[in-house]
Amino acid sequence: NAGVTQTPKFRVLKTGQSMTLLCAQDMNHEYMYWYRQDPGMGLRLIHYSVGEGTTAKGEVPDGYNVSRLKKQNFLLGLESAAPSQTSVYFCASSYGDSLLNEQYFGPGTRLTVT
Amino acid sequence: AQSVSQHNHHVILSEAASLELGCNYSYGGTVNLFWYVQYPGQHLQLLLKYFSGDPLVKGIKGFEAEFIKSKFSFNLRKPSVQWSDTAEYFCAVNDPGGSYIPTFGRGTSLIVHP
Repeated sequence: NAGVTQTPKFRVLKTGQSMTLLCAQDMNHEYMYWYRQDPGMGLRLIHYSVGEGTTAKGEVPDGYNVSRLKKQNFLLGLESAAPSQTSVYFCASSYGDSLLNEQYFGPGTRLTVT
Repeated sequence: AQSVSQHNHHVILSEAASLELGCNYSYGGTVNLFWYVQYPGQHLQLLLKYFSGDPLVKGIKGFEAEFIKSKFSFNLRKPSVQWSDTAEYFCAVNDPGGSYIPTFGRGTSLIVHP
């Protein structure tokens, strides 16, 4: 099992450019999440999904969009990147509404917006 | 909304010292509690979790945590730290009667000097 994978690992964008981050999990998890991690701010939830075809806003959703067309994939899009979106992005997945709902995290994507 | 406080933002210890990291949460009902660890340059991974039963939970690498319901706390402990414990530690809480979406604390950075 690969667990949770993320592509790309690193990316540099110019202000106004767009990009999509891909998260994939092979554990048949229902729930998937996108977080950003910034120094001193901990993990902040951007968007999440409780199942295929569903998405919901987290704590800091502005400037991001997501899609969950397949159960195993969760895409995070930046339509017009801004320097404030420079961060490390982590995807996670979990079983969801069960006693096994600890999260499994991907390796992260380091994004720099210049 | 649930909130999670980690009062120690930065902790510096020498090897063999004892460790206790504080975690307090706001929700008064039944909770699931987690500690995650993030080693330098890596993704978060589960250290230990509490769902029910014995309030003293043992995790990997000699870590343990105690759930004290009356104090809304889930403090992480280790009797003797090692240089390899240098990492960032995150406490997380979710409400199993609600959305199962966890709330994270801001994290504690632990540096252990050899």
